[in-house]
Amino acid sequence: QVQLVQSGAEVKKPGASVKFSCKASGYSTYYIHWVRQAPGQGLEWMGIIDPSGYNPEYAQNFQGRVTMTRDTSTSSVYMDLSNLRSEDTALYYCVTSLSAIRWSPFGYWGQGTLVTVSS
Amino acid sequence: DIQMTQSPSSLSASVGDRVTITCRASQGISNYLAWYQQKPGKIPTLLIYSASTLQSGVPSRFSGSQSATNFTLTISSLQPEDVATYYCQKHNSAPWTFGQGTKVEIK
Repeated sequence: QVQLVQSGAEVKKPGASVKFSCKASGYSTYYIHWVRQAPGQGLEWMGIIDPSGYNPEYAQNFQGRVTMTRDTSTSSVYMDLSNLRSEDTALYYCVTSLSAIRWSPFGYWGQGTLVTVSS
Repeated sequence: DIQMTQSPSSLSASVGDRVTITCRASQGISNYLAWYQQKPGKIPTLLIYSASTLQSGVPSRFSGSQSATNFTLTISSLQPEDVATYYCQKHNSAPWTFGQGTKVEIK
């Protein structure tokens, strides 16, 4: 059974950075996406990292603030988000692709990491 | 970027009703369209991908169809456990854009 376990909740001040982790088990090394959901809002795609950890691709809204990396030896994926602002308060999910094909829909979701940005 | 426009934003229907949600892509995406269900307080789950392929384990009352850049999610007979927000998503290329969501409630 595929399982994605994410890091715990964070509280950050505006301007700070946060690092998310996502550890996978029970599946082959598929693509990993990051998606966020602000309170009461819809789903927003942030980016994708491929099985090798090379060539991450980011949504335009996050260019320059987000960095995604992958440690294949520990089956872990990381996302750094910098220069936080109050609008970044959200639940952040890591999600696998459904298959090894890049253009797959989303398969399994992590439990989410809540980030609260407040002064 | 291609925009995904969902309608309606919310609906209320009776148990047993046929419910239809639409999603329009601003440009062609072939059949690379997925539908997700997010129940209150839960993580989203995949219902349908490639416009009309039912994900394993999803009840057969859910179906998807396509006409050019217009996509439809149909619930043939609404059940109480279908109360959720439904999202469409393009999965043909970056960005993997979602629609705004449709909240489905029981009348």
